[in-house]
Amino acid sequence: DAGVIQSPRHEVTEMGQEVTLRCKPISGHNSLFWYRQTMMRGLELLIYFNNNVPIDDSGMPEDRFSAKMPNASFSTLKIQPSEPRDSAVYFCASRETGVNTEAFFGQGTRLTVV
Amino acid sequence: GDSVTQMEGPVTLSEEAFLTINCTYTATGYPSLFWYVQYPGEGLQLLLKATKADDKGSNKGFEATYRKETTSFHLEKGSVQVSDSAVYFCALSDLQGAQKLVFGQGTRLTINP
Repeated sequence: DAGVIQSPRHEVTEMGQEVTLRCKPISGHNSLFWYRQTMMRGLELLIYFNNNVPIDDSGMPEDRFSAKMPNASFSTLKIQPSEPRDSAVYFCASRETGVNTEAFFGQGTRLTVV
Repeated sequence: GDSVTQMEGPVTLSEEAFLTINCTYTATGYPSLFWYVQYPGEGLQLLLKATKADDKGSNKGFEATYRKETTSFHLEKGSVQVSDSAVYFCALSDLQGAQKLVFGQGTRLTINP
């Protein structure tokens, strides 16, 4: 397996534009996580899916953020409209169901909103 | 809710020094505990884990022991190398927490030759 695949790797956009980040989890993994990493706030869990169903979205900062998982092999994180404070590295991770299982991370999408 | 607290960074050591990075947790149930490492420009990867009290996880010379009585999972290495320079994250996963993976804030480690 190629691991967790995120696209794009880098995104530069203007304030007010819509941004869509994409993630392909490892085949067979039931759980998918979206995290945001910044110097100031560290690694924040935004949303967590299990079997394509959102289980916990309490970390989604505001209504401008939305996430979907239409099937087991694809998820998106959308920001509309984007703001400069959304600039961060966004990571997707997947794991098999279970508290003991290892999470595998993608290489991240570095988002810059100017 | 569940949470993880790590020692503040950054930490700077000389090669061959002894390393300890402190981690304590709060959880409603009996969590599994993890250490992840992030090298520059990459995503996080699992370093070691422990799934029950008194378990010791180990990998690449790093060790951490699950201490339920002190709710701690400190990371140690006897002799660090320049290649250990990275950001280290302590994390937990708890059945009562719906199995989500909760991370500490990370500790940046720099090893000087």
